[in-house]
Amino acid sequence: GDSVTQMEGPVTLSEEAFLTINCTYTATGYPSLFWYVQYPGEGLQLLLKATKADDKGSNKGFEATYRKETTSFHLEKGSVQVSDSAVYFCAYMNTGFQKLVFGTGTRLLVSP
Amino acid sequence: GAGVSQSPRYKVAKRGQDVALRCDPISGHVSLFWYQQALGQGPEFLTYFQNEAQLDKSGLPSDRFFAERPEGSVSTLKIQRTQQEDSAVYLCASSLEEINTEAFFGQGTRLTVV
Repeated sequence: GDSVTQMEGPVTLSEEAFLTINCTYTATGYPSLFWYVQYPGEGLQLLLKATKADDKGSNKGFEATYRKETTSFHLEKGSVQVSDSAVYFCAYMNTGFQKLVFGTGTRLLVSP
Repeated sequence: GAGVSQSPRYKVAKRGQDVALRCDPISGHVSLFWYQQALGQGPEFLTYFQNEAQLDKSGLPSDRFFAERPEGSVSTLKIQRTQQEDSAVYLCASSLEEINTEAFFGQGTRLTVV
């Protein structure tokens, strides 16, 4: 069935380190892809999205490219900050459907 | 209000008790979603409303789960005869239009069944 697989955490980095959180998906059709972030004590927030192959979503220094050939949507940031500490969820939505299918989440811990 | 509001934030229920969880979406948002998030897992879809119509309830885990949105605004998720496996965070989200618009999430209701 349709699913999203993302790397297990926690991912522990020092400030200004490079971040990659891997995400792959299995889905029929041409889904839209998303990264959501959940900061401590807050609700899920949309971080970025891409709606078709080769699109790059970007926001707050984070980027992810929709790779149809590898069914991947890896999240990257060149220099993380302590304030980026949160749980990151990869998700997709299939065309014509409204529901988001989420991965299990990856906790990122950034130390000063 | 400024965002999606859910109440209560925390609920402890004895096994077998009925509970009702409330969601106030962003004013004017057409679409409303409920998700269930077990500890250490990602959110899982429960049901979807477009205005007052429940268009998809494929994710509801059993007939003990019931959701309504009678006037196309506030929604209630009801769980009857709660079981321990119902313990989770229940998330509500709303979006402005029917398709291809950002879903805004509430902070969730953490339900613990003892």
